[in-house]
Amino acid sequence: KAGVTQTPRYLIKTRGQQVTLSCSPISGHRSVSWYQQTPGQGLQFLFEYFSETQRNKGNFPGRFSGRQFSNSRSEMNVSTLELGDSALYLCASSLVGQGGNSPLHFGNGTRLTVT
Amino acid sequence: GQQLNQSPQSMFIQEGEDVSMNCTSSSIFNTWLWYKQDPGEGPVLLIALYKAGELTSNGRLTAQFGITRKDSFLNISASIPSDVGIYFCAGQIAQGGSEKLVFGKGTKLTVNP
Repeated sequence: KAGVTQTPRYLIKTRGQQVTLSCSPISGHRSVSWYQQTPGQGLQFLFEYFSETQRNKGNFPGRFSGRQFSNSRSEMNVSTLELGDSALYLCASSLVGQGGNSPLHFGNGTRLTVT
Repeated sequence: GQQLNQSPQSMFIQEGEDVSMNCTSSSIFNTWLWYKQDPGEGPVLLIALYKAGELTSNGRLTAQFGITRKDSFLNISASIPSDVGIYFCAGQIAQGGSEKLVFGKGTKLTVNP
């Protein structure tokens, strides 16, 4: 069974640009969660999607947005990039989401560098 | 908001030694998960715990869900060089009618051969 796939693995952008990251969950998983990982802050929750609907949202500005498609694939978008957005962005899928006995399975992340 | 206090922040041990790390909180959690992250990769699930008092093993790894539901520990026995990495605990908590996962800040493990 294929794991969670994130593309691209690496991205370099300049301040003010926008970026879209993609995540394909494990087959059959309907929930996709996104996290930002930085050395100082650890894993910070961005949002969770389930059946194309945003179910939970973390404390990030509106520049961070996401969506989920009918095949459960998800994208997240960051507009007007800032230097502080440089981080590893992790996507995780699960059968039913962050509630219930359904652990998250992570992809290998997209390393975003903003210059 | 809920916070998970994971300790220690880092550990330097000799190959063959046993390792213990834990997560504590003032909040009550419904599930505890332990993940390991290797450099350049995403966290990989090691052990999931669903009931207070539950003790679960996965090879040389053993984890327990604290009886108060506010803590969990992970033990690694007879460490080997490939145990190197960052270990994260995560607790699932009910909030505002839904459940969310809260992560600790990680324990960085270095194993000297």
